[in-house]
Amino acid sequence: DARVTQTPRDKVTEMGQEVTMRCQPILGHNTVFWYRQTMMQGLELLAYFRNRAPLDDSGMPKDRFSAEMPDATLATLKIQPSEPRDSAVYFCASAPPGQGQETQYFGPGTRLLVL
Amino acid sequence: KQEVTQIPAALSVPEGENLVLNCSFTDSAIYNLQWFRQDPGKGLTSLLLIQSSQREQTSGRLNASLDKSSGRSTLYIAASQPGDSATYLCAVMDSSYKLIFGSGTRLLVRP
Repeated sequence: DARVTQTPRDKVTEMGQEVTMRCQPILGHNTVFWYRQTMMQGLELLAYFRNRAPLDDSGMPKDRFSAEMPDATLATLKIQPSEPRDSAVYFCASAPPGQGQETQYFGPGTRLLVL
Repeated sequence: KQEVTQIPAALSVPEGENLVLNCSFTDSAIYNLQWFRQDPGKGLTSLLLIQSSQREQTSGRLNASLDKSSGRSTLYIAASQPGDSATYLCAVMDSSYKLIFGSGTRLLVRP
């Protein structure tokens, strides 16, 4: 069955290193979201794209985070340089075309630990 | 700024009990409200979506209600089972189509 895939599932890195997380949305979905989940802050929206164009990245620290959609089947979230406070689970979600109120389908997440 | 609160934070019940999870939100200008389930180490699975014009939605043993004017929603789980053990998240879609999540209720159903 169709599902959102994310790679890697787990990532351990040292402070200052670049981290790239990838997401493959469900085929045919045109909206892609990036969320971050921590114990302290819960789930927060970082950025989202519709038809590959960034619509909102206000939740993302601009100095070190960047999000792109090189094509309709791939979304990337990059952190450079990474810091220990970036340790979290990063979820990608996708939604089908519609009026913007459709259910979002979540991937399994990338668990990031920055030492 | 929209805030979503879920009570209780954790709940432990014996198998077979009916239970209610609560969600409240501060701004009634929402498009919809959704309940998600999250299993440890996994992503979120949408359980029920209630449009702002609706009062409730049902799926199997789950029933979710929405009272937009008072900023409240409840998720009712009938005849709970150990397989229902998970974290349940409530989220509202605000006027800019963003989902704002509560912090979740961690449910344990004891055999």
